[in-house]
Amino acid sequence: DTAVSQTPKYLVTQMGNDKSIKCEQNLGHDTMYWYKQDSKKFLKIMFSYNNKELIINETVPNRFSPKSPDKAHLNLHINSLELGDSAVYFCASSQGRVGYTFGSGTRLTVV
Amino acid sequence: SQQGEEDPQALSIQEGENATMNCSYKTSINNLQWYRQNSGRGLVHLILIRSNEREKHSGRLRVTLDTSKKSSSLLITASRAADTASYFCATDTQGGSEKLVFGKGTKLTVNP
Repeated sequence: DTAVSQTPKYLVTQMGNDKSIKCEQNLGHDTMYWYKQDSKKFLKIMFSYNNKELIINETVPNRFSPKSPDKAHLNLHINSLELGDSAVYFCASSQGRVGYTFGSGTRLTVV
Repeated sequence: SQQGEEDPQALSIQEGENATMNCSYKTSINNLQWYRQNSGRGLVHLILIRSNEREKHSGRLRVTLDTSKKSSSLLITASRAADTASYFCATDTQGGSEKLVFGKGTKLTVNP
């Protein structure tokens, strides 16, 4: 079973659309994250949730809204998509500051 | 803000040679982790070294940590073509929120 799974794997959409990416982990971890990897491969944290509570919001535009219905799920909704949102988005989970596990990524292309 | 800086940005070697990648960081850490990312794929955790450790081994991987210099190195011995990937260091900052701060990565190419 995949430990951290995110869907879809690829997402191509037009500017101005609204889209969601879903993430689920079956590791029993308390903390989940969204990271963004830009075209230069730089990985930057966007959000983290601990047991459904928002912990980190790293100056991400409010067009991005994470939602955690339970501690095993962290979804990312993006409104009014812009060209600059094109990137690979990684979901991850961790427990006790060790053992980070990453999903395989969602490649978002905004055209 | 970015914490780790990997050096070199790109490294090309022949199969069988050793590959050394360095990482420097700015603030005190709880631990430092190395990850591998194959082209177009996700991140794979390689090894974690805690701030009170100086060296750690895992198979062909050897990681060192020098907290006085705020630097770490990853050595891959007897490299294989399958080791071709980008390698990232990531730090868990002491006193900070639970998160990893990544460096820019080293792109390693191992030529057969």
